[in-house]
Amino acid sequence: DTAVSQTPKYLVTQMGNDKSIKCEQNLGHDTMYWYKQDSKKFLKIMFSYNNKELIINETVPNRFSPKSPDKAHLNLHINSLELGDSAVYFCASSHSRNTGELFFGEGSRLTVL
Amino acid sequence: AQTVTQSQPEMSVQEAETVTLSCTYDTSESDYYLFWYKQPPSRQMILVIRQEAYKQQNATENRFSVNFQKAAKSFSLKISDSQLGDAAMYFCAYRSALSDMRFGAGTRLTVKP
Repeated sequence: DTAVSQTPKYLVTQMGNDKSIKCEQNLGHDTMYWYKQDSKKFLKIMFSYNNKELIINETVPNRFSPKSPDKAHLNLHINSLELGDSAVYFCASSHSRNTGELFFGEGSRLTVL
Repeated sequence: AQTVTQSQPEMSVQEAETVTLSCTYDTSESDYYLFWYKQPPSRQMILVIRQEAYKQQNATENRFSVNFQKAAKSFSLKISDSQLGDAAMYFCAYRSALSDMRFGAGTRLTVKP
C-alpha cells in the first residue's frame, strides 16, 4: 500500500479554471503538508495542517486553499488558475509537527495553458 | 528564518568512486533535524539519511554517510562506491520545533559509467 498517495499525478488545464488535488496518507500521521516544486526544482512549503490547525505560508496566494475532511486527508484546491501555478505539487505527512522526517507522495504535475 | 544552502548546483562522479555533496544552514536554534532527500527522475522524494543535532555521531546508511559539523553549521553527504542508480537531485533539508521542513536548492548528481 502506498503510504502517501496523490491524485491526479498529471493535470493539464486552462487558465482561469478551478482544480483540486487530493492527498491521502495511511500512516496514521498527525501532520500533513503541501509543497510546491517549481521549474528550477526549488521546494517551498505552502501549508501545514495539524489537529485542525492550519499554518499558511504568507507568500501563498489566497487562490490556494487546503481542505482536510479528516486527519488522513489534505486536499488542495486552486481557484482561477494562472500560468505561474504550473509546477509539481507534493503532499507529505509526518508523525508530528516539526519532528522527524516527511513522507512524500509521488507529486502531481500541474500544467496551466 | 532558517535557510539551507547547497552551493553545488551540479556534481558528477565516476561509477564506483566517492562524491561529497555540500550543505550549510543558518539557525539560532540548538535542537533540530537535518536530512538528505533524493529525487530521481521519477520525481519521488526519497529519504536518504537523517541526523539529529543533539547526536555527535555522524549518521550512516550503507554507502551514504554525513559529516555533521554543528559549530560550522555544515551537513555534507558522502556517497561511497557510487552507482548509476544514485543519479538524482539531492536536497538537504532542515527541520525544528519552530520551523517546518526547509529545503536547499538541490544538487544534481550525475554518475558516469
